[in-house]
Amino acid sequence: EDQVTQSPEALRLQEGESSSLNCSYTVSGLRGLFWYRQDPGKGPEFLFTLYSAGEEKEKERLKATLTKKESFLHITAPKPEDSATYLCAVGAGTASKLTFGTGTRLQVTL
Amino acid sequence: NAGVTQTPKFRILKIGQSMTLQCTQDMNHNYMYWYRQDPGMGLKLIYYSVGAGITDKGEVPNGYNVSRSTTEDFPLRLELAAPSQTSVYFCASRDPTSGNEQYFGPGTRLTVT
Repeated sequence: EDQVTQSPEALRLQEGESSSLNCSYTVSGLRGLFWYRQDPGKGPEFLFTLYSAGEEKEKERLKATLTKKESFLHITAPKPEDSATYLCAVGAGTASKLTFGTGTRLQVTL
Repeated sequence: NAGVTQTPKFRILKIGQSMTLQCTQDMNHNYMYWYRQDPGMGLKLIYYSVGAGITDKGEVPNGYNVSRSTTEDFPLRLELAAPSQTSVYFCASRDPTSGNEQYFGPGTRLTVT
């Protein structure tokens, strides 16, 4: 059974204080490791897909990395607008069905 | 493009009532999915479809039905609503020719009382 575990559950940072979110996973036949951002009352918004160990993707203050067992979402010099829940998911099977973690709720304060 | 749209945004049902959650996408994506999201539980896959006329069960299909008569639409039917179906429902779509990422709609918040 595919499993995704995210840590920490919640993280509070001051503006400019860099940190990392962790996503550990077990999956048969990985068809991508996905990061999404979800704002309250909204649907998940796609951020990154990583396919193989060693791969890295960047977007503004966010950088996602992948190993064979886990992925990290690094947030550099965060701003209050980065406050959201960050979801990690793994895709498997021919239809790339997603298994999600429970998310990390990030709050960035001034 | 509007992307993935869902209606209604909110709905309150009484136990035993039925309803259909609508999902439409204008991106010509063959693959579509229905998830439910409960607090602290993560999103769970209910049903998915790889094209018009083809549907299959996900992780939590009991109490739900789907149909896919067109590429654009993927409605989710709740028969005999139960309190356990109180949740936020998200529809998503994917173009398998351009990547494995799924694009989500804004969700429907359903309460069954």
